[in-house]
Amino acid sequence: DVKVTQSSRYLVKRTGEKVFLECVQDMDHENMFWYRQDPGLGLRLIYFSYDVKMKEKGDIPEGYSVSREKKERFSLILESASTNQTSMYLCASSPTGWQGSPGANVLTFGAGSRLTVL
Amino acid sequence: GENVEQHPSTLSVQEGDSAVIKCTYSDSASNYFPWYKQELGKRPQLIIDIRSNVGEKKDQRIAVTLNKTAKHFSLHITETQPEDSAVYFCAPQISSGSARQLTFGSGTQLTVLP
Repeated sequence: DVKVTQSSRYLVKRTGEKVFLECVQDMDHENMFWYRQDPGLGLRLIYFSYDVKMKEKGDIPEGYSVSREKKERFSLILESASTNQTSMYLCASSPTGWQGSPGANVLTFGAGSRLTVL
Repeated sequence: GENVEQHPSTLSVQEGDSAVIKCTYSDSASNYFPWYKQELGKRPQLIIDIRSNVGEKKDQRIAVTLNKTAKHFSLHITETQPEDSAVYFCAPQISSGSARQLTFGSGTQLTVLP
């Protein structure tokens, strides 16, 4: 019962190419996130969205953009891929909820997309 | 955003021993304190969380303790087993309404030696 689906598990792209990473969730969550995971650096937030067409920058937004045209879909875009963007990308979603409401703030992650930029 | 520090970065224990991982945060308004576990090649998953109206929560062999005054919370695993080997992340945050910037700790690689 996969609930957060990332479109590609493995991608290989060339420097300068435009890259789309797609994430779809079927839990009707308001919040969606894109993280980058590198060894020794943990999970670093790229962008997040709390509603359709709404987005906010995270800690490392440079070189990335996002799109959220529908509630269930959150796309990460690399306009011009560079070798330093080789990484594992994780999408996550969470429900908006008030303190103590069931499931509030719990993140459900996708399986990840491993991107290699040559 | 929140400044989060997690220690230690690596931890090796013998099977059956206990393990403790500590997470320190900076924002005194934080009121939700989860721990996520990521096994090798898999996605992170929530294993236990605590909200600021309690000081401790247990679920079988795992527990989380919170010290709001000192702004840290800890994950305790007792009677460790090989399947506990994983990377553990903390992610303290403010639980209220819409999403806010959510910062994870840098992770702790726990290895349980047979």
